[in-house]
Amino acid sequence: EAQVTQNPRYLITVTGKKLTVTCSQNMNHEYMSWYRQDPGLGLRQIYYSMNVEVTDKGDVPEGYKVSRKEKRNFPLILESPSPNQTSLYFCASGTSYNEQFFGPGTRLTVL
Amino acid sequence: RKEVEQDPGPFNVPEGATVAFNCTYSNSASQSFFWYRQDCRKEPKLLMSVYSSGNEDGRFTAQLNRASQYISLLIRDSKLSDSATYLCVVHPGGYNKLIFGAGTRLAVHP
Repeated sequence: EAQVTQNPRYLITVTGKKLTVTCSQNMNHEYMSWYRQDPGLGLRQIYYSMNVEVTDKGDVPEGYKVSRKEKRNFPLILESPSPNQTSLYFCASGTSYNEQFFGPGTRLTVL
Repeated sequence: RKEVEQDPGPFNVPEGATVAFNCTYSNSASQSFFWYRQDCRKEPKLLMSVYSSGNEDGRFTAQLNRASQYISLLIRDSKLSDSATYLCVVHPGGYNKLIFGAGTRLAVHP
């Protein structure tokens, strides 16, 4: 089954404790992206990747890191999470930015 | 001003009703337009692309007005299963990304 998977789906953590949210797709897509979704603000892009070893900042990259060592994986790293990073995070992939398939989301709470 | 603006709703309509959502975008160089659907606590999914000539997919019709920088989605004969949030999405041109509106919530009741 073609899909984008994210782990964990739910995470509660404390300020400053490094965490990684994994994202994997099995559709051989070149484009992958991370978004956060907050009430009233819609989906905002954090980082995106056009291909392996090619990443770029989106609209809200501060406090996040990403890497794209393999085509299928695009982890999101929070080196020192803060409460304002409490949000719903979505990973997406596509043959380009035009049609994106989203993962099920990761609900993160930073205390 | 937000790049993509939508009425947040909610739109509460009975089954069988026709409902229309509107969306405006600020970047006149925008090239591609989409409607995504998001069910509660789920991921967004592509509903349909929006073409300059307008396009229809069953009960759903999308229209684009480039001069007014305005996109619409019309749902005819609403079903209970249409209850969701509808996201207006724009590709701003020159950027490798999509801009998402905050969404319009639709609740269809019996």
